[in-house]
Amino acid sequence: DTAVSQTPKYLVTQMGNDKSIKCEQNLGHDTMYWYKQDSKKFLKIMFSYNNKELIINETVPNRFSPKSPDKAHLNLHINSLELGDSAVYFCASSQDRGLAGEETQYFGPGTRLLVL
Amino acid sequence: GESVGLHLPTLSVQEGDNSIINCAYSNSASDYFIWYKQESGKGPQFIIDIRSNMDKRQGQRVTVLLNKTVKHLSLQIAATQPGDSAVYFCAEGHTGGFKTIFGAGTRLFVKA
Repeated sequence: DTAVSQTPKYLVTQMGNDKSIKCEQNLGHDTMYWYKQDSKKFLKIMFSYNNKELIINETVPNRFSPKSPDKAHLNLHINSLELGDSAVYFCASSQDRGLAGEETQYFGPGTRLLVL
Repeated sequence: GESVGLHLPTLSVQEGDNSIINCAYSNSASDYFIWYKQESGKGPQFIIDIRSNMDKRQGQRVTVLLNKTVKHLSLQIAATQPGDSAVYFCAEGHTGGFKTIFGAGTRLFVKA
């Protein structure tokens, strides 16, 4: 009954490789996010999708490409991995943004990416 | 620019004492504030929120105080327990916006 799930939980890979992280939410939420958390625990938003449409795209290298096949899924593909990409990546979802004002986000367990 | 910051990066309290975690924000347009708790190895978890038309909101053992005049937010945890040990984040957003900005986090240690 996991509300927001991510796979894999751990990802160890070599520099230059391409990898994907998958995220699914079963909460019926309209909006999904990807965050990057560095070693100092700082959480920074990367992308946000609302009903499969990209609404936030922070200053993220274009090696990172989100894909939302449907409202319940938001995957993150990373090309040509670099050492600095090592971090914990969190997926999150929320009910609605805007008029409803419901902005509580539900986070997945995180994917720990280590680039060697 | 927008920023949400914390005064105390690490806080150590005795079990049973009350904890106060502080947060400063700079975006005057923010009207929604949230506290999240992140336990080791897990994702952040919602604790309590408050809107800008309020200055205090209480939950179970937690209270959030909002001072819009000085753009300050605090989280008070009553009778702190070992299970409260975690990193706490304040976050801000605004109605109609799609982005929540997270503060740097405060690590709370509870000593038994």
